[in-house]
Formats: sequence, structure tokens, C-alpha cells
Amino acid sequence: DIQMTQSPSTLSASVGDRVTITCRASRNIRFWLAWYQQKPGKAPKLLIYDASRLQSGVPSRFSGSGSGTEFTLTISSLQPDDFATYYCQHYDNHFPTFGPGTKVDVK
Amino acid sequence: QVQLVESGGGVVQPGRSLRLSCTASGVSLNSITTHWVRQAQGKGPEWVAVTSFDGDSEYYAESVKGRFIVSRDNSKETVSLQMNNLRPEDTAVYFCATGPYFNYLYMDVWGKGTAVTVSS
Repeated sequence: DIQMTQSPSTLSASVGDRVTITCRASRNIRFWLAWYQQKPGKAPKLLIYDASRLQSGVPSRFSGSGSGTEFTLTISSLQPDDFATYYCQHYDNHFPTFGPGTKVDVK
Repeated sequence: QVQLVESGGGVVQPGRSLRLSCTASGVSLNSITTHWVRQAQGKGPEWVAVTSFDGDSEYYAESVKGRFIVSRDNSKETVSLQMNNLRPEDTAVYFCATGPYFNYLYMDVWGKGTAVTVSS
């Protein structure tokens, strides 16, 4: 199994802040990583796939980078709608796993 | 606009079975890789199973392998998750999700989920 970890588990920020979330894989997953945003009571929403490709309709303030075992999700200027929990997910094989999540809340 | 709708959730006793279904509007499920993902209260998502667009291939998480079966009925454009020998730890909201590729298993469209509670 490929294990995914995320840091921090909680991040307190203000509107306009630059926010960075880190995701690490237990082994090399190349570029096969997605990022999701989830709000309470809702399904996850795909933001980024292939580590850095922006899903259609997602604002350009979201960006992803990294390869191998370390990846980052960056929100360039946090907006009110961005307070949510963010998950990474690998798909290097046919048994995808999610990270434990990073909650972005109001400072 | 693509929408997925799950149904079939409910309360069931340990050891019993339940069948979830996923239907779609705005797209034919017959042509799309379809996943089941679950999320227990307060936890992150857990991928459960995936079926290829033609139903010829499927994969399961170790936690459900041998108990859950994913299948599709292309005549009804439905993907189902048959859950047998349910355990309390299977309690979760179950989401149906689709993805563009069977070899790259990320999920780009999600349903709203259906809740399953396993309790005596």
C-alpha cells in the first residue's frame, strides 16, 4: 500500500493569504497525484490532477506542483470560498489512497 | 451538466447485505470508469472499488475485498455496489464518482452520497 501524509493537519489563514499544503507519498508516485476540496456535507471536488493540471472550471489561484514523493497545493490569494478541507490522492496503481486532509480555517 | 445520484443506503444489521446504485444524467455511465468511495464521519475519503467502462475489469480495496461486488447494468445505465457481510466499520457515506481513465484513477465527478449505517 502507498501511504499518503499531509501537513499541516490544520492551517489558520486570512483572506488574501498565500496558502501552501504539503502531501507526501510513502514511495515514488511520479506525477500521479490529485487534489480535492471538500466542504462540510458535500462531496469532494477535484481541483488538480497529474500533480499540476488544473481541472476545468477551477480558479487559477489554485496550483499544484511536485513529483516523486513530495507535492504541494498552493492557493495564491485565499478567498472566502476556499475555507474547506483539502485532500491529496495518489493514483499510481489501481488502489488509490487519500491523504488524511488539511483543514483551512479562519485565523 | 453531469450529475450522479446514489441510492440504496440505510440502516442494516451487522452481517446483513445492502445494495447501492448509481445513476447518471448528462452522461452515459456505460462509457465511463466508475468508482465507489466512502467517508466515515469525521474521516477522510476511502476509495472502495472501481469498475471499467465495460465492466470487464474491477479492483477493490483490501478492506472490502471478498465482501463487496461492483457491477454495471449497461441496459439500465446503472452501476451497483453489492455489500455483503456488513460490519460496523463499513458505516459511512458512500459516494459514486466517475473518472476519465481506468488506468489513472482520479475522480472528476461525484454524486452527493448515500448514508449506510451498520448497527444492531
